[in-house]
Amino acid sequence: KNEVEQSPQNLTAQEGEFITINCSYSVGISALHWLQQHPGGGIVSLFMLSSGKKKHGRLIATINIQEKHSSLHITASHPRDSAVYICAVHAHNSGGGADGLTFGKGTHLIIQP
Amino acid sequence: DTEVTQTPKHLVMGMTNKKSLKCEQHMGHRAMYWYKQKAKKPPELMFVYSYEKLSINESVPSRFSPECPNSSLLNLHLHALQPEDSALYLCASSLGQGFPEAFFGQGTRLTVV
Repeated sequence: KNEVEQSPQNLTAQEGEFITINCSYSVGISALHWLQQHPGGGIVSLFMLSSGKKKHGRLIATINIQEKHSSLHITASHPRDSAVYICAVHAHNSGGGADGLTFGKGTHLIIQP
Repeated sequence: DTEVTQTPKHLVMGMTNKKSLKCEQHMGHRAMYWYKQKAKKPPELMFVYSYEKLSINESVPSRFSPECPNSSLLNLHLHALQPEDSALYLCASSLGQGFPEAFFGQGTRLTVV
């Protein structure tokens, strides 16, 4: 079982729709990232969360630490939002080392005009 | 400056070539990472450097050789690669051990012919 599960894997919606992407994880974490990757491109960090909720423009990210669950919402979606959205967690490391991120498989979002 | 800069953006190399990927950041981050990402897959951690010392090697073949000559620079030396090594190679950095915020570069698209 993957430590980070995302749903849905693929999502196609019409311009203007409200979008929700979900992420569940099974390990203790110090932080959760929502990342955006356009086709063939690098990764852009949208949010880093350790509790509560963050908002940036039309994007909102929430996390429930007790339920080990996070959501990314896009309001008034636009074709330029089409991308792969990746949930990644920074797991607790009792050794204190820098051990990178554990990634979900990503959600491929297409917003049609 | 909140950028992680990777060069080159694209690289085509033969199986007998020797080439290097470069990653640079000037944010004072002391942890730097190499990830490999195959098409439609999440990134996979290859190496972690912490304070210029190799902290994690995720059982990567020796044809990939990382180097961290100083706190701002991370190289990945490539030699005798195979076609299946073709992928997007991503560099990331974070403040240091236990600091989860990560900044990603745009990646190097590597094709081995």
